Parts: sequence; C-alpha cells; structure tokens
Amino acid sequence: GQQVMQIPQYQHVQEGEDFTTYCNSSTTLSNIQWYKQRPGGHPVFLIQLVKSGEVKKQKRLTFQFGEAKKNSSLHITATQTTDVGTYFCAGRQGTNAGKSTFGDGTTLTVKP
Amino acid sequence: NAGVTQTPKFRVLKTGQSMTLLCAQDMNHEYMYWYRQDPGMGLRLIHYSVGEGTTAKGEVPDGYNVSRLKKQNFLLGLESAAPSQTSVYFCASSYWGARSNQPQHFGDGTRLSIL
Repeated sequence: GQQVMQIPQYQHVQEGEDFTTYCNSSTTLSNIQWYKQRPGGHPVFLIQLVKSGEVKKQKRLTFQFGEAKKNSSLHITATQTTDVGTYFCAGRQGTNAGKSTFGDGTTLTVKP
Repeated sequence: NAGVTQTPKFRVLKTGQSMTLLCAQDMNHEYMYWYRQDPGMGLRLIHYSVGEGTTAKGEVPDGYNVSRLKKQNFLLGLESAAPSQTSVYFCASSYWGARSNQPQHFGDGTRLSIL
C-alpha cells in the first residue's frame, strides 16, 4: 500500500534558525496536505499542494511539491517559539477518494 | 460554530469492556474519519465514511466497528477493549472533492486508556 515517510522525526533548533521537514511517498500523489499539531492539541490544516513543482508561501512558511509529485517539503524561516509542534504531511494516491495517508510527522522544538 | 465535537474527552476502560466514541460535525461534510494516534506513529486511519450509510476500512480496522446512520454523526465502537487499543482517537470530517482531497477538520480527540 501507499507509504508516506517524513524526516527527520525530531528537530531541535535555536529560535531564529531555519527548519525543514521532508515528506516522501512510495507512489505518485494526486495532492499533498500539510497539518500542524500543537502539543496536546489536534491537527490543524495548513495548506494543500496539487500541481507538479508547486510552491506556496504563508508568511515564514514555504511549501513545495516535487516535480514528480512524490515528495514535498515544508521550510520555516527564522523559527519562533510559536512554531513548536508536530508537522504532518498527508498524501492522496490516485483515486482513493477522500482517503489520505499521513506521515509520522516531524516534531519541532524551539529553544528561546 | 462548533465544528467537530468528540465525546467523551477521556475514558478509562478495563480489558474486555465495550464502549462507543461519538463524533458529531455541524459543517455538512460528506466525509468523516476515525484515526488513532500513538507516540511517534502519526495518525493511522481506522475507518472512514464517504457518506451517510456508508463505511470503509482504513489501515488499522481490526477490533473496531463504525456506523454512520446520520450524515452529521460517526460512531466508533470497541466491542471488547484490549490494552493495545490505548491511544488518542481523533475524528475528522471534510467536504467531498472531485479531483483532490479537501482539508480535514479535526476534533479535540478522545484519550482512551485500557487497563
């Protein structure tokens, strides 16, 4: 079945440093979504990428979808303590209508 | 606007007991999902539903049953709870999307411990 892998599993940074998490799929994806989960909270939708090579930005966050639509990345510039949490990617394969496979997430901690 | 509401928020069960987790959404979403989240393992899909009266198995369906009698509700049942089912359970819902998935809206989760 479809597998979605995320690396790294954990990332500890000093406030102000950049952060990147990578998401890789074993199969071509029709779209990929990114979610953020704060400690003790629930996942919250951040963004969706659909087109090959697509790049989207949300303030300090940059999301990319690979040309082959099998990988994606989330980059945070100049991290802040409010960025703490676990970031998940979720990919949909082909015609699996309504169903996405979540990666295991990257947990970011930021030291002030 | 309540969004997705899960009840209960916490529960402790003994091995072999049964219980039902309730998920209710007020956004008129077609799709609903049940996930479990264990430390370091992300979100694993248990069952999902693409509409009222329909359900389908996800990645880890064994030991669970679901029902979607009304569009706004999605119930997750544990017939005979086992310690391996200790987890945080999240319900989510989304609109239908013809070409791509729509964003999932999650509830606050149910923290379930089985002794």
